Amino acid sequence: DSGVTQTPKHLITATGQRVTLRCSPRSGDLSVYWYQQSLDQGLQFLIQYYNGEERAKGNILERFSAQQFPDLHSELNLSSLELGDSALYFCASSEGTVRNGYTFGSGTRLTVV
Amino acid sequence: DAKTTQPNSMESNEEEPVHLPCNHSTISGTDYIHWYRQLPSQGPEYVIHGLTSNVNNRMASLAIAEDRKSSTLILHRATLRDAAVYYCILANFGNEKLTFGTGTRLTIIP
Repeated sequence: DSGVTQTPKHLITATGQRVTLRCSPRSGDLSVYWYQQSLDQGLQFLIQYYNGEERAKGNILERFSAQQFPDLHSELNLSSLELGDSALYFCASSEGTVRNGYTFGSGTRLTVV
Repeated sequence: DAKTTQPNSMESNEEEPVHLPCNHSTISGTDYIHWYRQLPSQGPEYVIHGLTSNVNNRMASLAIAEDRKSSTLILHRATLRDAAVYYCILANFGNEKLTFGTGTRLTIIP
């Protein structure tokens, strides 16, 4: 157990639907990062939150959104799902600096059918 | 984002040391060098990181060149469980996101 909890582990849904992925960071970590990993692509950075505020944005589609709550857990919302959104979605957490390592969760495998 | 270059793949025999190289010629003075590894169908796992000096932890050692333009991750005694994709990443204050490249796929030969 890395200390970062992601739920659910697996999700199967139909095209056009909306899903919410949840991430609880390691205790004490203020930053949460979301990544997408498709079969034919590497780990793509989506978005970062630090203590409730958006800090950095990557190649996140407009159909996707995220937020970080006061208890520091984060949710990634994916809407109008397409087949191409099928991927592993990872959450990572850190203290918020690069002076220490980042901790990743075990991911949510999303399958859009 | 500062870029790193790693070999696509490497092989090593079990129980022998492994040296994984990474070039980062455009590194800035405040870039930290992070190493992560990813086993199949698992999330990336932190291995080690450093700024200027060599670093050791229970998993590995990180040797950083004096000019910081390259680094080497050293696994002292490879096991089959070390077979993974290893990523060398530069991270900076104000740009804390980790940008993953294609990494080095390490195969351990029994």
